[in-house]
Parts: sequence; C-alpha cells; structure tokens
Amino acid sequence: GAVVSQHPSWVICKSGTSVKIECRSLDFQATTMFWYRQFPKQSLMLMATSNEGSKATYEQGVEKDKFLINHASLTLSTLTVTSAHPEDSSFYICSAPDRTTGADTQYFGPGTRLTVL
Amino acid sequence: DAKTTQPPSMDCAEGRAANLPCNHSTISGNEYVYWYRQIHSQGPQYIIHGLKNNETNEMASLIITEDRKSSTLILPHATLRDTAVYYCIVRFSFNQAGTALIFGKGTTLSVSS
Repeated sequence: GAVVSQHPSWVICKSGTSVKIECRSLDFQATTMFWYRQFPKQSLMLMATSNEGSKATYEQGVEKDKFLINHASLTLSTLTVTSAHPEDSSFYICSAPDRTTGADTQYFGPGTRLTVL
Repeated sequence: DAKTTQPPSMDCAEGRAANLPCNHSTISGNEYVYWYRQIHSQGPQYIIHGLKNNETNEMASLIITEDRKSSTLILPHATLRDTAVYYCIVRFSFNQAGTALIFGKGTTLSVSS
C-alpha cells in the first residue's frame, strides 16, 4: 500500500516552545491530509483537515492559532504546535487518502510522540 | 457516516482464527465498511474494505451479511503480532475522499500463545 511518513517520530520540548511535525506522502500525491491526536488509552481524535493551497479546517474545540497547519505541496503537510504546554503532550498522527487505485483508502503515518516538560 | 458497534475486547489463541464482529445497522446503500488496526504506539494500518460482497486479501477476509447490517473481519491464523486494536469504520464511497475517518473505540484483540 501507499506510504506516509512523519518526522520526527518523537520529540521532547520545554513548555512555551513550538514544535513542527511533518507529514509526507511518499509515493502518491494528496491534496488533502488529516491530523489526529491520541491520548493514552483513548481512540484517535480528528483535529483538522489540511488542504493543499488553502486554509485548514479545524474540528470544534481545536484552537487554530495554537495548532498551525500548512499544506505547502501535494506531498507535504506540517503541524506546528505553538507555545506548547504539558497538556499538549500526545501522540500526533497524520493520514492521507490515496485515490490512485480507484478507491479511497486512507494511509496513516507512524505517528509522532510529543512530550512537553 | 453510520455508527458502528464493536465488542471492547476479544482473546484468541495463536494459530487459531480470530473473528471480529461489527454491527452497523444504519448503514446506507453506498457506504463502505473499512477495517483498520492499530498496534501499540503506531499509526493505524489499513486492512480491508468492502461494499456488499465478501472480500479477501493477504491480511484478512471480510464477511458482510446480506442485509449489510453487520460484518466480520477474519484473521485466519492469528499470530502474536496481530495483537492490536481493530477498528470497524463505515463511510461513503471514494468520491468522498475529502472526509476523514472517524474512529470509535474499536476491539482490543489479544493473541496469546
């Protein structure tokens, strides 16, 4: 299947700093990508939809000024957690739909573990 | 997208078939059934999807009832590496590519030797 990568796989930062997470579709183009976060022992929660060439769409309760999303190309979306605080510590996962096979199968990145001290 | 109901947990002996059920009684005619799994601390992995007919691939088989109100994911010979949370998701067809997958709580499958 299609491959989606994320970088970094884990990051530790101090409270108040900003962290950027990259999501790349390696062998297909994606005009849309999705960002999720997952707290321990919970399911994935959709944060936002990243659209190439336009503004991201955020789910209710997700602060757009805190979680900046940029979809600069058809293979790259970035999520920047600004002024991170310990409550932002979570597992962040991106996904992208690959429509080249004729079906809408979404592929997920391996996730980024963020720990804010 | 239609709501799905899955048992919270299941156990399976290594080498035996794992049959994971999913109820989706409100599914509409053009909604697909998708199965994903998430191994601990990894991103979800696509397994299989189907509309009406039973489907099989190298990972699993998907059995959908004739009325499409329920389905079963079958892992024919479970291994320890199949221990994961399995998610059954119902969503519209591929021309809705702009919509995200919405995850429920899934079924935690524990495979033991």
